[in-house]
Amino acid sequence: EAGVAQSPRYKIIEKRQSVAFWCNPISGHATLYWYQQILGQGPKLLIQFQNNGVVDDSQLPKDRFSAERLKGVDSTLKIQPAKLEDSAVYLCASSLQGEVDEQYFGPGTRLTVT
Amino acid sequence: EDKVVQSPLSLVVHEGDTVTLNCSYEVTNFRSLLWYKQEKKAPTFLFMLTSSGIEKKSGRLSSILDKKELSSILNITATQTGDSAIYLCAVKKSGAYKYIFGTGTRLKVLA
Repeated sequence: EAGVAQSPRYKIIEKRQSVAFWCNPISGHATLYWYQQILGQGPKLLIQFQNNGVVDDSQLPKDRFSAERLKGVDSTLKIQPAKLEDSAVYLCASSLQGEVDEQYFGPGTRLTVT
Repeated sequence: EDKVVQSPLSLVVHEGDTVTLNCSYEVTNFRSLLWYKQEKKAPTFLFMLTSSGIEKKSGRLSSILDKKELSSILNITATQTGDSAIYLCAVKKSGAYKYIFGTGTRLKVLA
């Protein structure tokens, strides 16, 4: 079974530029999560999708971050414009559905904003 | 506000030592608690614990949930250098399948 795919793996941009990350979850997984993990901290949930609907985006800085999951499969997360404090690893995870399933993580995208 | 706290924040031990990592939580609508191991890349799943209180074991790793104390411990016996990693604890909430992560415990095992 293929895992969660993410791209790019690394990205370096200057502040005020824009960037987009892509995630393809495990086939058949209805729930998709985007997390931000700043160095030395645990992952922080940015947005959670159930199929193509948003379940929770309470911690997403909506003035600069946006995400979509068209057709309920892959997803993109965009930052525009980026700030220095956005430097982090952006993790995508998916889970099948239901309360008994754990989530599976992709390899992450390491973003450096200079 | 939901909160997951892990301790210690970091730990350095020698190969062969036994370590105990702690996770405490204050979360509404608790469903389960999960432990992950994170090396240089994405977190990998270790255990899921529910209110049943059943201990989970996998080789040298074991974990149990104390529902009364709202906490969990992860034990690693006979540690090896390959156990060096960040260990993350996450609580899953009912309903919206939301996960709340702690800050992690950074474990370093010296040869």
